[in-house]
Amino acid sequence: EPEVTQTPSHQVTQMGQEVILRCVPISNHLYFYWYRQILGQKVEFLVSFYNNEISEKSEIFDDQFSVERPDGSNFTLKIRSTKLEDSAMYFCASSERAPSPLHFGNGTRLTVT
Amino acid sequence: AQSVTQLDSQVPVFEEAPVELRCNYSSSVSVYLFWYVQYPNQGLQLLLKYLSGSTLVKGINGFEAEFNKSQTSFHLRKPSVHISDTAEYFCAVGRGNQGGKLIFGQGTELSVKP
Repeated sequence: EPEVTQTPSHQVTQMGQEVILRCVPISNHLYFYWYRQILGQKVEFLVSFYNNEISEKSEIFDDQFSVERPDGSNFTLKIRSTKLEDSAMYFCASSERAPSPLHFGNGTRLTVT
Repeated sequence: AQSVTQLDSQVPVFEEAPVELRCNYSSSVSVYLFWYVQYPNQGLQLLLKYLSGSTLVKGINGFEAEFNKSQTSFHLRKPSVHISDTAEYFCAVGRGNQGGKLIFGQGTELSVKP
């Protein structure tokens, strides 16, 4: 069964550094998402992406965050200047259409020191 | 704004006992409802979904849920749990006019004891 893949599985970075989290969504899916889960808390929506542009973003997704689909397969989340509070598990997801179930990757655990 | 409330943060239960994990949502428009399961150090796996049609939906691993529009609930049930069902369970809601975005509840930690 096709799946969403995320790399790396764990990223450690220093405060103020830029990080790029990478995702390969399921190939025939058209909608892409990033969510995050701070340890022990709920899964929070960050951004949705469709037709090569952001369709919706949350209050969390401020100017420090950006997303890109640089080619036909990858979907990236960039954090320009990481803060301690950015430490979380970041999940990429994709869906074939809307509404339909989201398929999640296994996540990237980001640790900001 | 829509929201999802999972009324129990932790549910301990003995193996082979029945279980119900509760989920309530708030929305004034038509919704789509999902349950996801998260095993330790893994991503979110879809258990079941309600998009339309029959209000009783069956999912993987013997789980089922019932959409109750009047009570704005989507409780998850299993008649007999196994040790392997120990995991975190998340209820999520989406709205038709919001693309595919889902809002998640706080999660319920199901702990199955022998």
